Amino acid sequence: AQKVTQAQTEISVVEKEDVTLDCVYETRDTTYYLFWYKQPPSGELVFLIRRNSFDEQNEISGRYSWNFQKSTSSFNFTITASQVVDSAVYFCALTEERGGSEKLVFGKGTKLTVNP
Amino acid sequence: KAGVTQTPRYLIKTRGQQVTLSCSPISGHRSVSWYQQTPGQGLQFLFEYFSETQRNKGNFPGRFSGRQFSNSRSEMNVSTLELGDSALYLCASSSLAGVPSYEQYFGPGTRLTVT
Repeated sequence: AQKVTQAQTEISVVEKEDVTLDCVYETRDTTYYLFWYKQPPSGELVFLIRRNSFDEQNEISGRYSWNFQKSTSSFNFTITASQVVDSAVYFCALTEERGGSEKLVFGKGTKLTVNP
Repeated sequence: KAGVTQTPRYLIKTRGQQVTLSCSPISGHRSVSWYQQTPGQGLQFLFEYFSETQRNKGNFPGRFSGRQFSNSRSEMNVSTLELGDSALYLCASSSLAGVPSYEQYFGPGTRLTVT
């Protein structure tokens, strides 16, 4: 069965600190996709990144970077030089390539608070 | 390009009533999925529709149902509301080309409160 674990429930940092959000997943499939979403207080889930299981290259987008390691079933997210606007709940999610369904299995989320 | 829209944004209902929530996907998207978000259970998958057919269903009681129209708009219905149905209901759309894109975009959600 699919499972996503985000062990960090809440993280609080001071502006300009770097912060890493952990994500560990479980799946029996060899083809799957991993995601990170951001949920600000407004409630809408904002898509940040998608990674497929065959692409283990790390990715950087501005202050955001992602580290995907199949050997440890982890897909961690780092924010460099955090800003107050980064305060939100961040969700890691997984979907398996099965029958065309795009069902997402989410972790419980990590609430990030960036203090000025 | 307009994003996913959901109506209404807020809703207050009484136990035992029924409710219908609406979702309009991004133009051209043919797949719509619904999720329930509660503080206790987190984000849970309800169902997924593609070209008016239910493609997948989550582990929810039969009181929860949905459908998709030919223009890809979707509705979900909850009958005989219970207090535990209070949640944020999120809709997501994807699949521009008719095949899974594995890139879902979410709407702002409908906040349902059952009293």
